[in-house]
Amino acid sequence: DTAVSQTPKYLVTQMGNDKSIKCEQNLGHDTMYWYKQDSKKFLKIMFSYNNKELIINETVPNRFSPKSPDKAHLNLHINSLELGDSAVYFCASSQPLPGTGYNSPLHFGNGTRLTVT
Amino acid sequence: AQSVTQPDIHITVSEGASLELRCNYSYGATPYLFWYVQSPGQGLQLLLKYFSGDTLVQGIKGFEAEFKRSQSSFNLRKPSVHWSDAAEYFCAVGPFSGGYNKLIFGAGTRLAVHP
Repeated sequence: DTAVSQTPKYLVTQMGNDKSIKCEQNLGHDTMYWYKQDSKKFLKIMFSYNNKELIINETVPNRFSPKSPDKAHLNLHINSLELGDSAVYFCASSQPLPGTGYNSPLHFGNGTRLTVT
Repeated sequence: AQSVTQPDIHITVSEGASLELRCNYSYGATPYLFWYVQSPGQGLQLLLKYFSGDTLVQGIKGFEAEFKRSQSSFNLRKPSVHWSDAAEYFCAVGPFSGGYNKLIFGAGTRLAVHP
């Protein structure tokens, strides 16, 4: 029944490795997001896709590459991991509110804690 | 620049006491405002939101928040705190980029509840 699910929940890896985080939502939402929460709990948007199309791409190193095979899935691939990539990564989704031009509030997954050693 | 400030990093209250968490924002137009709660190891759950209309909004778990345009504030309140309310609380403002949710979050306020 989980609305937005991410895997894995924990990811420990060494510098230089390549890793992926997967996200799936069963809410039927058109828009999905990746947010990064650093060690000080700051949350910042990284990417957003709407119907498989990239619509928000913040200043993120190009080692990070999102991929959306369909509107229910948004994966995050990270190449050449660095110590500074250690954080909690949250996937989220939302849906346009008809007639308003805006989206519903974000529904978040439970996060993936990435630790780079 | 658009920003959200939560002045209190950490607040401790006794169970049954009232609570107010502060949030101030900087935004050039009418903001869309949210409060989210994050329990340890969990994702963020929406408590309440303000889009327009009545400036006092009710949320889940007995929380409410009041939008005060003159003070650029959206403070969260609860009349009687329960031990299960201990968590991290995030205020967010929604400048929508092309109609999508590009939220700006505050740094969070960690709430501890004493029995």
